[in-house]
Amino acid sequence: NAGVTQTPKFQVLKTGQSMTLQCAQDMNHEYMSWYRQDPGMGLRLIHYSVGAGITDQGEVPNGYNVSRSTTEDFPLRLLSAAPSQTSVYFCASSYIIIGGKGTEAFFGQGTRLTVV
Amino acid sequence: QKEVEQDPGPLSVPEGAIVSLNCTYSNSAFQYFMWYRQYSRKGPELLMYTYSSGNKEDGRFTAQVDKSSKYISLFIRDSQPSDSATYLCAKSNTGNQFYFGTGTSLTVIP
Repeated sequence: NAGVTQTPKFQVLKTGQSMTLQCAQDMNHEYMSWYRQDPGMGLRLIHYSVGAGITDQGEVPNGYNVSRSTTEDFPLRLLSAAPSQTSVYFCASSYIIIGGKGTEAFFGQGTRLTVV
Repeated sequence: QKEVEQDPGPLSVPEGAIVSLNCTYSNSAFQYFMWYRQYSRKGPELLMYTYSSGNKEDGRFTAQVDKSSKYISLFIRDSQPSDSATYLCAKSNTGNQFYFGTGTSLTVIP
């Protein structure tokens, strides 16, 4: 099983450039999300989606756009890259639980982005 | 107050030692707890999950939850150099809200 696949693994951008980070999952999970991970700050939620056509903002959404046209894919777009967006980005997916107590998140291997 | 608090370490132990990693959490509405292992330059990998107070064992790993004190622990027995990683605790609820600790860096010295 591939699980959650992210591309590219590494990227260097110049300030002001735009790009799309790709995320795909093959587990038929309804819920998908994007995090950034910075030293000492842990994982911070950027955007999330509970299904195709439905997205919402997380804790740090500014400068990022998302869309969800299929269950499998959840791309993250950087509109105009800034040095403050230098980070490691992780995509995660999980089931949506009706009842029960909660669920686990499954992560991709990350995209290491540097903005110069 | 953060939803999940975790001592960042770093923690350095000799091979074969018992390792104890700890987190505290707020908000009793969260009932599902997880531990992730993250190797350098890799994504977090689910190690264990539990939703009951008490202990859950998986090989050398034991996850412990004390809901009365809002305390989450991970114990690693007979630690190995391959256990060297950052360990993140996490909690979730039925609304797919996830909160993660900042991670504890562990080094097991051969």
